[in-house]
Amino acid sequence: EVRLVQSGAEVKQPGEPLKISCEASTDSFTTSYIAWVRQMPGKGLEWMGIIYPGDSHTTYSPSFLGQVTISADKSISTAYLQWRSLKASDTGMYFCARRPMIGKWFGSWGQGTLVSVSS
Amino acid sequence: QSALTQPASVSGSPGQSITISCTGTNNDVGGYEYVSWYQQYPGRAPTLIIYDVTKRPSGVSSRFSGSKSGSTASLTIAGLQAEDEAAYYCASYTISTTWVFGGGTKLTVL
Repeated sequence: EVRLVQSGAEVKQPGEPLKISCEASTDSFTTSYIAWVRQMPGKGLEWMGIIYPGDSHTTYSPSFLGQVTISADKSISTAYLQWRSLKASDTGMYFCARRPMIGKWFGSWGQGTLVSVSS
Repeated sequence: QSALTQPASVSGSPGQSITISCTGTNNDVGGYEYVSWYQQYPGRAPTLIIYDVTKRPSGVSSRFSGSKSGSTASLTIAGLQAEDEAAYYCASYTISTTWVFGGGTKLTVL
């Protein structure tokens, strides 16, 4: 089973940049997809976007396009989610999740990274 | 891209069966056989319990089953157990090659 390990909790101020990570424990990193999912406090899951680390092709939800950047470094089996300038409304838990090459589901999830943005 | 529609909460007694609905459009649920369901306990990451509308991953109890009719998918949990108390989310692939989640349903086992 693929294991996804995310970077630790972050406390930031509005306007600061941030990059969080998701490391996969498998050689199949470049033959699967990594998605990012937001969960705001007390709310539901929101699909943000997905990357194919094999060629770094990305697709974003219209709600998140231009708000975040998804990237990957296949040499270290790690995907990233970054913000150029955080807002208080970016506060939430962020999960990475793996989608298999031929499937359209998310079978493995990271433990989540809590991002807190406050002045 | 609107979230899929799920009831906010459902409840049932141990041993009973419950069904959670997930309503979308022809651009997502109704257009593809790519609905999946996730279980999430408080403070934990979601886990996959149903994929491709009806399939169960290895290790998931056979008490969980999925179905779809038109643009509405459903998750049924038979023989409710206390451990089933959690939040449940549906998700669907969409015509825009993105995914959309439902708003989530909180299951209470009475």
